[in-house]
Amino acid sequence: NAGVTQTPKFQVLKTGQSMTLQCAQDMNHNSMYWYRQDPGMGLRLIYYSASEGTTDKGEVPNGYNVSRLNKREFSLRLESAAPSQTSVYFCASSSHRYEQYFGPGTRLTVT
Amino acid sequence: GDSVTQMEGPVTLSEEAFLTINCTYTATGYPSLFWYVQYPGEGLQLLLKATKADDKGSNKGFEATYRKETTSFHLEKGSVQVSDSAVYFCALSLGGSYIPTFGRGTSLIVHP
Repeated sequence: NAGVTQTPKFQVLKTGQSMTLQCAQDMNHNSMYWYRQDPGMGLRLIYYSASEGTTDKGEVPNGYNVSRLNKREFSLRLESAAPSQTSVYFCASSSHRYEQYFGPGTRLTVT
Repeated sequence: GDSVTQMEGPVTLSEEAFLTINCTYTATGYPSLFWYVQYPGEGLQLLLKATKADDKGSNKGFEATYRKETTSFHLEKGSVQVSDSAVYFCALSLGGSYIPTFGRGTSLIVHP
């Protein structure tokens, strides 16, 4: 039982490049989330998926897109990376509005 | 809207000292309350939770009691260790929302 897995662990992009962050969970959770964590800013919700087939914007969705590929997988795409998107990205999953389970994070640097 | 307020850090303690990290909340209903811990370089992990008033959550020597009258969920540990050095997040979840509300996090540094 791996819980929530994220790939890659580290990534360096140049401004304007695109990439997709992958997330998968094996706990049969309905809800999945993408957060970013910046120093002094706490956790900020980018997008979430309450259930398979639905996605909704969070607090800071600009510059990102998501896909809920199936019940297990929820990906985050940066179409044209900007230095302001340098951050640590966490995926999380939850069963019906209870506690969240987090992945280990992706550390992204945009130069 | 709903909110969670935590004491600002860092909190710096010597090993075996008593720990309190304050957390108060504002919510329109009756939330479930959580404490998460984030060790350096890792994701958040659930430390303990309480789902109704007067419930006490506990884990790894940490405790927190859901106080509805003071809208608080303070985290306590009787004797901290260097290995407890981490960032602690208080959070709430309401039944009518898929989105939990997190506090800003409190950094704890424990010196030997």
